[in-house]
Amino acid sequence: GAGVSQSPSNKVTEKGKDVELRCDPISGHTALYWYRQSLGQGLEFLIYFQGNSAPDKSGLPSDRFSAERTGGSVSTLTIQRTQQEDSAVYLCASSPAGGPAGDTQYFGPGTRLTVL
Amino acid sequence: DQQVKQNSPSLSVQEGRISILNCDYTNSMFDYFLWYKKYPAEGPTFLISISSIKDKNEDGRFTVFLNKSAKHLSLHIVPSQPGDSAVYFCAASAMGGSEKLVFGKGTKLTVNP
Repeated sequence: GAGVSQSPSNKVTEKGKDVELRCDPISGHTALYWYRQSLGQGLEFLIYFQGNSAPDKSGLPSDRFSAERTGGSVSTLTIQRTQQEDSAVYLCASSPAGGPAGDTQYFGPGTRLTVL
Repeated sequence: DQQVKQNSPSLSVQEGRISILNCDYTNSMFDYFLWYKKYPAEGPTFLISISSIKDKNEDGRFTVFLNKSAKHLSLHIVPSQPGDSAVYFCAASAMGGSEKLVFGKGTKLTVNP
C-alpha cells in the first residue's frame, strides 16, 4: 500500500521567498504530524493535526510558519520569508488514530529545504 | 534544553556482535519510549517501543531496556548485521499530554562485515 508521500523531495529557495511543502498521509489516517531535522540535530516537532480538532501548533518556531490540513487529508506547511536557519529536512508523519503510541506514526521521506 | 539525549553520535561494531545504543532523558513525565531507524534519504521507521510500566521489551534481535530511576534506556541488537547500519533515534512521549514525540539527535551505527 502507499505510504506517506511528500513533495517536493528537494527545494532550493532564496532568502525571503515563501515556500510550500506538501504531505499526503496514508489514506484513512486521522492524525498528521510535521517535524523538521536540522543538520546534526534530532527531529523537532512542529505541528500536529488530529481529525477536526484544533491543531497543536506548539512546535512552530515563529509566526512565519503555518500549516493547513484540507479535508482531513493532504497537509501543506508554508514558510514565509524564509531564512537560512530554516534549512532542514521537513518530515511528515501520519497515524491511524493519533495518540501517545508513537509506534503508529509512519513517516514520509521528507523534503530537504535549502535556503540560500 | 535537550530532553532526550543520545550522547554517542556514532558506534561501530563487528557483524555478529552486540550493538548497544544508549539514550537518556530528563523529563519525568515521559512514559512511552521508542526507537526509530533511519536510512539516508528515507523517513524514520519504527523499530521497537516500551511503556514505562515495563523494563524490557524484546522483538527478535532487538531488545529495549528501560531504567526509570536512572532515566535511561538502551537498545540492544544481537547479532548485529550489516543491514542494521543506519541512524537510530530514541524518542519519548508523555501520555495524556501532547501526542508529539521528542527525539534525540541520533546515533549512527555501522556494522562491519
